[in-house]
Amino acid sequence: SQTIHQWPATLVQPVGSPLSLECTVEGTSNPNLYWYRQAAGRGLQLLFYSVGIGQISSEVPQNLSASRPQDRQFILSSKKLLLSDSGFYLCAWNRAGTAARKTQYFGPGTRLLVL
Amino acid sequence: LAKTTQPISMDSYEGQEVNITCSHNNIATNDYITWYQQFPSQGPRFIIQGYKTKVTNEVASLFIPADRKSSTLSLPRVSLSDTAVYYCLVDNNNDMRFGAGTRLTVKP
Repeated sequence: SQTIHQWPATLVQPVGSPLSLECTVEGTSNPNLYWYRQAAGRGLQLLFYSVGIGQISSEVPQNLSASRPQDRQFILSSKKLLLSDSGFYLCAWNRAGTAARKTQYFGPGTRLLVL
Repeated sequence: LAKTTQPISMDSYEGQEVNITCSHNNIATNDYITWYQQFPSQGPRFIIQGYKTKVTNEVASLFIPADRKSSTLSLPRVSLSDTAVYYCLVDNNNDMRFGAGTRLTVKP
């Protein structure tokens, strides 16, 4: 069966510090990978998605970046965090191939608080 | 542009049937309609998916009219534990964008 891991689970960082959140998927190959952010009481904002190693699509211009160094690893980074970067960060995957009928599988999330 | 429109919130009582409607006027031929449920501090999880007419599983039913421009998630006999945010997703591309969702509150 497939599983998706995220770490850390929670993180408190000062403004201006760097960020690295990691997501890994097990039990599948060549998944599409996604990073979402959810502010308190709000919906999901798609930040990045990747259909393969080294292939990153950015949805929202911002101080965040994403990388996919391995097939089942997706990393969200920032060189300098802003207060507005606080939120709940969710990684998700779905199967490669035909886009229709895809189901998103989400990780447990990382709650980030920037002070 | 948002691909789906849902009510922001709904209230219900235990034991009632709840119907949440999603509008997707620009749905494409290849699009499927998928509903997710999200509890606080958790990622969304899949509830049900359909293309047309009616789909039913152990937790919900999904009604899709012939023109497919809307869909209705039906939750039979809700309980307090069904309090959550419900998202309707219509997408056949790789950019899986979620809307704002509907916050359902079930009261005793």
